[in-house]
Amino acid sequence: DQQVKQNSPSLSVQEGRISILNCDYTNSMFDYFLWYKKYPAEGPTFLISISSIKDKNEDGRFTVFLNKSAKHLSLHIVPSQPGDSAVYFCAARSGGSNYKLTFGKGTLLTVNP
Amino acid sequence: EAQVTQNPRYLITVTGKKLTVTCSQNMNHEYMSWYRQDPGLGLRQIYYSMNVEVTDKGDVPEGYKVSRKEKRNFPLILESPSPNQTSLYFCASGGTYNEKLFFGSGTQLSVL
Repeated sequence: DQQVKQNSPSLSVQEGRISILNCDYTNSMFDYFLWYKKYPAEGPTFLISISSIKDKNEDGRFTVFLNKSAKHLSLHIVPSQPGDSAVYFCAARSGGSNYKLTFGKGTLLTVNP
Repeated sequence: EAQVTQNPRYLITVTGKKLTVTCSQNMNHEYMSWYRQDPGLGLRQIYYSMNVEVTDKGDVPEGYKVSRKEKRNFPLILESPSPNQTSLYFCASGGTYNEKLFFGSGTQLSVL
């Protein structure tokens, strides 16, 4: 049972435009959500996060939106740059005793010059 | 520099030959974890550790062992590797509440 879903395996956008990556989850007990970026031959790196008590968090060109009623979050990148081309993983944290992170399958973003 | 160090980066072995992938972090993190990444399956947790001498199974623990004798080290042990364990492995560490997980550069394992 996949608790964190990234339904788009890939996304292609033009440089300067907005990139929107989506993520859906099923577990109501998730209390914290994170986005990671991964380049080939490197480990994932933390990008941005949001607590379940908020609906928006912004960091420079990156904004994460959380819609708890729809169990949906999205990552907006504005403007997109070629260096943003990478695989993006959505992750959700379980509250409770182990604070486990559950990851989606990832979305490959390609930003074309 | 804060980092998670895994070794080796690449490993080719044969079925049944025991191997260990090492992981070390220099951030004094309590939490450490191992993930494997497979095409179309994303990152799946193998084992995790909340602190020294405290380890527990993740989602795909079969065929793996771990130990946490020191806070900084969390080795992954494959006692009898099989071809279905061919994968890209990542070690990660984080604070107690996992607000932000730091990953190593990965170990590409091929079991022939």
